[in-house]
Amino acid sequence: GAVVSQHPSRVICKSGTSVKIECRSLDFQATTMFWYRQFPKQSLMLMATSNEGSKATYEQGVEKDKFLINHASLTLSTLTVTSAHPEDSSFYICSARADRGGTEAFFGQGTRLTVV
Amino acid sequence: ELKVEQNPLFLSMQEGKNYTIYCNYSTTSDRLYWYRQDPGKSLESLFVLLSNGAVKQEGRLMASLDTKARLSTLHITAAVHDLSATYFCAVDPFGGTSYGKLTFGQGTILTVHP
Repeated sequence: GAVVSQHPSRVICKSGTSVKIECRSLDFQATTMFWYRQFPKQSLMLMATSNEGSKATYEQGVEKDKFLINHASLTLSTLTVTSAHPEDSSFYICSARADRGGTEAFFGQGTRLTVV
Repeated sequence: ELKVEQNPLFLSMQEGKNYTIYCNYSTTSDRLYWYRQDPGKSLESLFVLLSNGAVKQEGRLMASLDTKARLSTLHITAAVHDLSATYFCAVDPFGGTSYGKLTFGQGTILTVHP
């Protein structure tokens, strides 16, 4: 089956620092990946669509300068939370859409970010 | 703006009972997904519903889609404790080769008691 790997699964960082989260499609190519954020006891909200070789598309209200997305290869997208603050603490989940057909995007394991 | 609404948001069930979770959405779509999420974990895909009238079953769970009513249901039969989790429906308004950009419902927290 299609596997999407996210790393790290858990990270704690100090306020004001940056943290990078990786999302890899392990057994398929994914020109398009999606980044979601989930606050405690809430639903998932789409943050941005990541496209290999082009700029990411951000949803309304998501600061593109704060959440930097780089999709440098067909199997890897990264989300960098810059100058993190405690309010950025959340569960970040990526999904990847296979380039060759398919009917659903596959989710990574998620990254729990805690900013202290 | 696409809105996806689930109800109930909280569901406390006794083992052995049946219940249904409802998912309403506000725009035309024939692509709907159900997921399960355990505490601290990511999403587990349960069902992919891709057409009007689609019905899928896996164990004690059955999902259906009525695109004309913009309604999907997740039916639980003879609940067991292991089904305790949060269940999300998600709608993809684009479909085709542009699938994957999902709008989620609020989630239903299901607790099954002995």
